[in-house]
Amino acid sequence: SQELEQSPQSLIVQEGKNLTINCTSSKTLYGLYWYKQKYGEGLIFLMMLQKGGEEKSHEKITAKLDEKKQQSSLHITASQPSHAGIYLCGADIVNNFNKFYFGSGTKLNVKP
Amino acid sequence: DGGITQSPKYLFRKEGQNVTLSCEQNLNHDAMYWYRQDPGQGLRLIYYSQIVNDFQKGDIAEGYSVSREKKESFPLTVTSAQKNPTAFYLCASSRDSGYEQYFGPGTRLTVT
Repeated sequence: SQELEQSPQSLIVQEGKNLTINCTSSKTLYGLYWYKQKYGEGLIFLMMLQKGGEEKSHEKITAKLDEKKQQSSLHITASQPSHAGIYLCGADIVNNFNKFYFGSGTKLNVKP
Repeated sequence: DGGITQSPKYLFRKEGQNVTLSCEQNLNHDAMYWYRQDPGQGLRLIYYSQIVNDFQKGDIAEGYSVSREKKESFPLTVTSAQKNPTAFYLCASSRDSGYEQYFGPGTRLTVT
């Protein structure tokens, strides 16, 4: 959606390399969610960030929300083939139930 | 095991026919959602329901209908009025608004 811009659209990295995916909005994010999707499957919830400056980690994946709550980054350390997939950010942009948007996704390939 | 199920995984229909996609959850979640995903795009909200017997239109509700007669079930009907029904459909649920959404495995609908 135009409300959430994800970059890059696709990424190919060598196994073991670090990478970062960004999710940006021109509006304040009330809640930012990161999901992973394998092609043709449902989304798997990774992490949720709500407070400005918040950072969360799960295994080798770290997500941050900036102080202004308009940008989030997802960082993968020492990537592995199992990290391959599509990463989507989703967010409550206005604190209104039906205003939940998803970014268009970042397709990640990890070359062994 | 708690989770969300969608059936069938693949569905084929002739143009002009209505078709109903199933979504069931045993997570005791109040809120349920239907999204549509097209190739290379993020998710777009079709309908959502905050509670039994209540549902609201999302951004692309035209040509679709839903019902929420039971907390566990939120079926989506794709009617013949939907001009481009071929897509990947994802159902999700959450404890309430403002909480992370959990997704089913999706149904790929092809209309010819």
